[in-house]
Amino acid sequence: NAGVTQTPKFRVLKTGQSMTLLCAQDMNHEYMYWYRQDPGMGLRLIHYSVGEGTTAKGEVPDGYNVSRLKKQNFLLGLESAAPSQTSVYFCASSLTSGGGSSYNEQFFGPGTRLTVL
Amino acid sequence: DAKTTQPTSMDCAEGRAANLPCNHSTISGNEYVYWYRQIHSQGPQYIIHGLKNNETNEMASLIITEDRKSSTLILPHATLRDTAVYYCIVLYGNKLVFGAGTILRVKS
Repeated sequence: NAGVTQTPKFRVLKTGQSMTLLCAQDMNHEYMYWYRQDPGMGLRLIHYSVGEGTTAKGEVPDGYNVSRLKKQNFLLGLESAAPSQTSVYFCASSLTSGGGSSYNEQFFGPGTRLTVL
Repeated sequence: DAKTTQPTSMDCAEGRAANLPCNHSTISGNEYVYWYRQIHSQGPQYIIHGLKNNETNEMASLIITEDRKSSTLILPHATLRDTAVYYCIVLYGNKLVFGAGTILRVKS
């Protein structure tokens, strides 16, 4: 099993350009998440999905869109990149939500380093 | 979401136990405490979680106080590869809310 993979690993954009980050998982997980991490800070949740065809906003959703057309894939889009979106982006997936007595181990991908000039 | 407070950094000698504290004084009765770590900009890695009782797995032990307002992650025999940022997170529902974590430096 590859676990959680992210494409691309690195990207440099100019302000105003668009791009899509791809996250794929082969663990048949229902839940998928996109986070960003800025230097010296913890991860912040951008958007998440509780199943195929569903998406929801996280803590910092502005400037991003997501889609979950297939259970194994979760796409993060930047329509008009801004320098403030320079960050490392992590995707994660989990089998369950973790609510109640459920177990919520989130498996993380290796990250995508994005620089917006 | 309940907030957590952790020391910014800690040092530990290789082979010794590393005890990482976390305060979560506003935790609610049905909120779980999770610990993750992040090694050198890799994706975070799950360590352990608990609700009320102490927990142990192959990586670590989690000690939660009786009033649940604080907890301690214990790495019983720290190695150089345990150098990382450790995050204490209170989970309710399906969202992990990361703070800045504790930088643990294991030194030989």
